[in-house]
Amino acid sequence: QVQLVQSGAEVKKPGASVRVSCKASGYTFTTYAIHWVRQAPGQRLEWMGGISAVNAKTKNSQKFQDRVTFTRDTSASTAYMELRSLRSDDTAVYYCARVRVASITGGMWSYFDYWGQGSLVTVSS
Amino acid sequence: DIQMTQSPSSLSASVGDRVTITCRASQSISNSLNWYQQRQGQAPKHLIFAASTLQTGIPARFSGSGSGTEFTLTINSLQPEDFATYYCQQSSSFPVTFGGGTKVEIK
Repeated sequence: QVQLVQSGAEVKKPGASVRVSCKASGYTFTTYAIHWVRQAPGQRLEWMGGISAVNAKTKNSQKFQDRVTFTRDTSASTAYMELRSLRSDDTAVYYCARVRVASITGGMWSYFDYWGQGSLVTVSS
Repeated sequence: DIQMTQSPSSLSASVGDRVTITCRASQSISNSLNWYQQRQGQAPKHLIFAASTLQTGIPARFSGSGSGTEFTLTINSLQPEDFATYYCQQSSSFPVTFGGGTKVEIK
């Protein structure tokens, strides 16, 4: 079965960087993109961007443009998200999610069909 | 960016009730609208794509409708496992954006 397993919780100081990993199993890794969504305490889900697993092309939210990098290691079936210059308002649960593109009656629709369990990143001095 | 607004932000209902959640987009997104369910402490779970197409394995008591800027998620005969927070998400254009969520609580 499809699984996305993320790395564990992290505690970081302001100004530091964090890298979260997302290991995929149960499907051919290079078939689907992996995107990242975060959720601050009591807040809505917030899309950060993602990476194509086949060609490493990335798509970033403007909000994080200069601070986030998405990479992947196809040999390890793992995607990574690195966020730099951390601030207290980056405290959140970070999720990876697989992007599925469905084709119905000539149209195409994308959605996040499988999600990792989430990785809590706490930024505190 | 396309803003997604959900209403209500929370509601109380009983097992067996019919529940309707509304999601409005700040501009037309055709039917590029997804719904997710998030139980407390868990990752979101995909329910519906293309506004009204049920994901495989999702019970038929869930249904979605709408196009353009107004969408609804309906849960017929609410079950105990349905008490959760529901989010809409537009996939019409980047950046992908989510609604603020609707928490369905037990009355």
